Amino acid sequence: QVQLVESGGGVVQPGRSLRVSCAASGFTFSSYGMHWVRQAPGKGLEWVAIISYDGSDKYYADSVKGRFTISRDNSKNTLYLQMNSLRAEDTAVYYCARVLEGYSYVLGGDWGQGTLVTVSS
Amino acid sequence: QSALTQPASVSGSPGQSITISCTGTSSDIGNYNLVSWYQQHPGKAPKLMIYEVTKRPSGVSDRFSASKSGNTASLTISGLQAEDEANYYCCSFAGISTVFGGGTKLTVL
Repeated sequence: QVQLVESGGGVVQPGRSLRVSCAASGFTFSSYGMHWVRQAPGKGLEWVAIISYDGSDKYYADSVKGRFTISRDNSKNTLYLQMNSLRAEDTAVYYCARVLEGYSYVLGGDWGQGTLVTVSS
Repeated sequence: QSALTQPASVSGSPGQSITISCTGTSSDIGNYNLVSWYQQHPGKAPKLMIYEVTKRPSGVSDRFSASKSGNTASLTISGLQAEDEANYYCCSFAGISTVFGGGTKLTVL
């Protein structure tokens, strides 16, 4: 079955960088686009970014554009989110999620358990 | 990339039906038949309940149904059960981005 496991979260100071990862298994990772979605404490879901199956296309939410970079290593079945110039408002649980079967960019139902990123001095 | 609009809360008694609305624009809900609904219990990852406006993934109860008209989508839960108490989020494809609603807290009285 599809398994997505995020890691790399933690406490980081404002203005610093952090990279979170998502290890995928149970499906052909290189055939699927992947998303990052975040959820601030006590708040709703916010879409962050999408990367195509081969990494050639990447799109970002306006709130993170220019600061965050989504990437993937299909040889390692791993998705990444590099977060630079972090702000307090980036504090959230970060989820990776697979696209819906049959689509390139539509968010689907396979999500990881999330990793918490806390931006605080 | 404006959020979709959902009511903050709804409630119902066991056995009753409730409907959650989700209003977007002609750039998202109104332009694509790609509305999804997610259920989220506290501390858990979201669970897909509806995709492509009306379809249920395998394993999701047929008490959950959904529809769309123009720029507004709706989720209906019939025969409310205690386990349905959760937060519900609508979600729409919007071209190169994805947009969520603010979430609706369902309380089963």
